Amino acid sequence: EVQLVESGGVVVQPGGSLRLSCAASGFTFDDYAMHWVRQAPGKGLEWVSLISWDGGSTYYADSVKGRFTISRDNSKNSLYLQMNSLRAEDTALYYCAKDGWFDPWGQGTLVTVSS
Amino acid sequence: EIVLTQSPGTLSLSPGERATLSCRASQSVSSSYLAWYQQKPGQAPRLLIYGASSRATGIPDRFSGSGSGTDFTLTISRLEPEDFAVYYCQQYGSSPPITFGPGTKVDIK
Repeated sequence: EVQLVESGGVVVQPGGSLRLSCAASGFTFDDYAMHWVRQAPGKGLEWVSLISWDGGSTYYADSVKGRFTISRDNSKNSLYLQMNSLRAEDTALYYCAKDGWFDPWGQGTLVTVSS
Repeated sequence: EIVLTQSPGTLSLSPGERATLSCRASQSVSSSYLAWYQQKPGQAPRLLIYGASSRATGIPDRFSGSGSGTDFTLTISRLEPEDFAVYYCQQYGSSPPITFGPGTKVDIK
């Protein structure tokens, strides 16, 4: 059974930093590119970042480019999102997902940027 | 970037009625890489349809997807009480970026 478990979300001040983690199981992790997607409170779904299966290629939404860094550790079946220079508009539930159609979704991890 | 537009924004229907949700893309979605998700309050999205018309595992057959190119449709043949939710379309054929539509809320009339 495929499982994705996100963690690391907390309340952080504007300008602060945070690292999210995603633990994957139930599939061959290094066969897949992986994504981060977020959902602000009461809003729709927004793609954030993509990393290739080997970590060699990374892509970002314009809204986070230069501030967020996606990475992975295939030996640990884990995906990460380093978030720097956080802004109020980064407040959201963050989900990780494997490439293609997204199934299943984890429970997400909530990041709140507030003073 | 492929922009997805969903209509209507809100659909007010009664249980037992048929729901037709539209998703239109700003350019052709390659290989019909179009998915539909259902999201209920306080829950993560759930995959309903992938490849424009293939039902995900465990999804009732009252849900069906159709379309190709730039026009796609999700149909719920007879609404059950548990179907009242927000529905999102997503294209994953032209990535990055993956893009989502803004959603259609199906609520009880």
